Parts: sequence; C-alpha cells; structure tokens
Amino acid sequence: DTGVSQNPRHKITKRGQNVTFRCDPISEHNRLYWYRQTLGQGPEFLTYFQNEAQLEKSRLLSDRFSAERPKGSFSTLEIQRTEQGDSAMYLCASSLGLAGAHTGELFFGEGSRLTVL
Amino acid sequence: SQQGEEDPQALSIQEGENATMNCSYKTSINNLQWYRQNSGRGLVHLILIRSNEREKHSGRLRVTLDTSKKSSSLLITASRAADTASYFCATAPWGQLTFGSGTQLTVLP
Repeated sequence: DTGVSQNPRHKITKRGQNVTFRCDPISEHNRLYWYRQTLGQGPEFLTYFQNEAQLEKSRLLSDRFSAERPKGSFSTLEIQRTEQGDSAMYLCASSLGLAGAHTGELFFGEGSRLTVL
Repeated sequence: SQQGEEDPQALSIQEGENATMNCSYKTSINNLQWYRQNSGRGLVHLILIRSNEREKHSGRLRVTLDTSKKSSSLLITASRAADTASYFCATAPWGQLTFGSGTQLTVLP
C-alpha cells in the first residue's frame, strides 16, 4: 500500500498521559499536514511541513502539542498532559507542491482516533 | 472559524435521485476542492476547480463555482447507496486547506 499510513489507529489514554501519533506520507510527497476532527465537524488545520521545515502552526495548537518531521519523511504528533478536550480524530495528509505554490489535492490517511478518559 | 460552509447540513435521498450540496466561502481563492469521508475513515479527494473555471465534471460529479457569489455546488447524479458519506468543500485562503463542516448525505436503497 503506497498511501498515507497512520499509527496507531485507535488510542485510549487517561487524562494527563502523553500520546504520540505517527504518520508516514506518500514517499515522494514533500508536504505533510496534521488536522484534527471532532464528531460532526470538518477537519481543522493544526500544522504543516514543507520537507523537514514546520512552516505553519495553527493557534489551535497549544504548547502541549508538538510535531516533528525529521529528515522530511515520517512525522510524529505528540500531545503532552492530555485533556478530555483532546479527544478527536487526528488526520495526517500529504501532497506534492513547490514552495509558495497554492495547495492542491491532499491525500489523507485513515486517521488516529484519540479517546481521553 | 471555518472558511467554507456547506448547505444543507444533512440530506437524505432515494437511490437514483440527484444530490446537490452547496458551499459558501468568505475570502478570495485560488481553487476550491471537494472531499468525501466515509464514517470513521479518512478524506478522499473528489475534484478540484480553479478560480478561473466555472464548471467541471468527473464521472457522476458536477461542480460549479461562482466567484462573484463566493459559492460552489457539488451535484452527484444517479446516486447510489455507496455514495452515503460526508462531503466537505475546502479552500486555501492562507495557503493551507480549510474545510467546512460538511454535508451528511444518506442515499436510501
């Protein structure tokens, strides 16, 4: 399968614990995005990488959230000291785009569903 | 706040009927995209229409764009039960795709 891969698919954790999600994008894609989606809503943008550089972070992304993309390949999204409000689906997407070019089609993974008890 | 807003929020039709969903957005765009999401799954890109295009077709999908009214519509013809899903429009006013809250389409067999 050469699509976007996300792990784990489901994570249940207790409030206050740290969690980490991993995203493996389509190999030739240089852009990688993280979105968060709650029930009945559309995806909300969290952050975006062009290769290994994190170019944009949403104001939704509190200090408890950190994302990395070492070597411009896979990415991790860590949430520290989880809160019940962090319960959501975390979606990763990738695309191929030149720096400064407008955003084209995104290829999404199946998401990682987080439940904070 | 979200850039695009879909209307209606929910739509239920019989198999074989056409389904029309609308999207309104607030700022100027380079392109507008439609995505589909089955329950509990990731989003799948359906179609992209550029700001200088007025209409685009892909199989049973027809998308229109009216930049003067800042609106778009997605028409699915001859709907099937398998078309049951949430449909989102997305625009990139600041470079990153911003999604609306979606239309939940239910196609009854």
